[in-house]
Amino acid sequence: GAVVSQHPSRVICKSGTSVKIECRSLDFQATTMFWYRQFPKQSLMLMATSNEGSKATYEQGVEKDKFLINHASLTLSTLTVTSAHPEDSSFYICSARGSTDTQYFGPGTRLTVL
Amino acid sequence: RKEVEQDPGPFNVPEGATVAFNCTYSNSASQSFFWYRQDCRKEPKLLMSVYSSGNEDGRFTAQLNRASQYISLLIRDSKLSDSATYLCVVNIGGGFQKLVFGTGTRLLVSP
Repeated sequence: GAVVSQHPSRVICKSGTSVKIECRSLDFQATTMFWYRQFPKQSLMLMATSNEGSKATYEQGVEKDKFLINHASLTLSTLTVTSAHPEDSSFYICSARGSTDTQYFGPGTRLTVL
Repeated sequence: RKEVEQDPGPFNVPEGATVAFNCTYSNSASQSFFWYRQDCRKEPKLLMSVYSSGNEDGRFTAQLNRASQYISLLIRDSKLSDSATYLCVVNIGGGFQKLVFGTGTRLLVSP
C-alpha cells in the first residue's frame, strides 16, 4: 500500500511556542491531504482538508490562524500549531489521498505542551 | 446525535470466539463505508471496505444495511493479535470525500 510519513513522531514543547508537523506521501502524489486530531479515548476528528496549491478548508470550531496548514507540493503538507497551549496536547494524524478514494494515514505525531 | 455511533466496549472474548460489532450512521447520503483497526497509540489502518452485498476477507465479514443505516463487522476464530480498537468510518461525500470516524469499539482477546 501507499506510504505516508510524519515528522516528528513525538514533540514536547513549552507553552507559547510554535510546532511544525510535516506529512509526506512517499510513493504517490497526494492531491488532497487531511489533518486529524485525536484526544485520549475519543475518535479522530477532522481538523482541515488541504489541496495542493490552495487554501485549506477548516472544520467548524478549528481556528485557522492557530493551526496553519500549507500544502506546497503534491507530496508535502505541513501543520503548524502556533502559540501552543497545554489543551493543544493531542495525537495529530495526517492522511493523504491520491488518484483513488482511499486515504492513507501517517503514523501520527504526539504533541505534549507543558 | 453523533454522525457515527459505536458501542465503545470493551468486548472481552477468549481465543477462538466469534465476536460482532455494530455501528449506525446518521447521514443517509453517506457514500462509502469502512472498518479501520487502531492499535494503542498508533494510526488507524484500513481493515476492509463495506459493501451493500456484504463482503468477507478471511475471518472478517462486513455487512451494510442502507435502509437501517447500520454496519456490522464479524470476526470469527478470534486471535490474540485481533486485540485492538475497531473504528467504523463513513465517507459522507462532498467535494473532499470527508471521512467521519466513530469512537471505536475496543476488543480484548484473551488466551
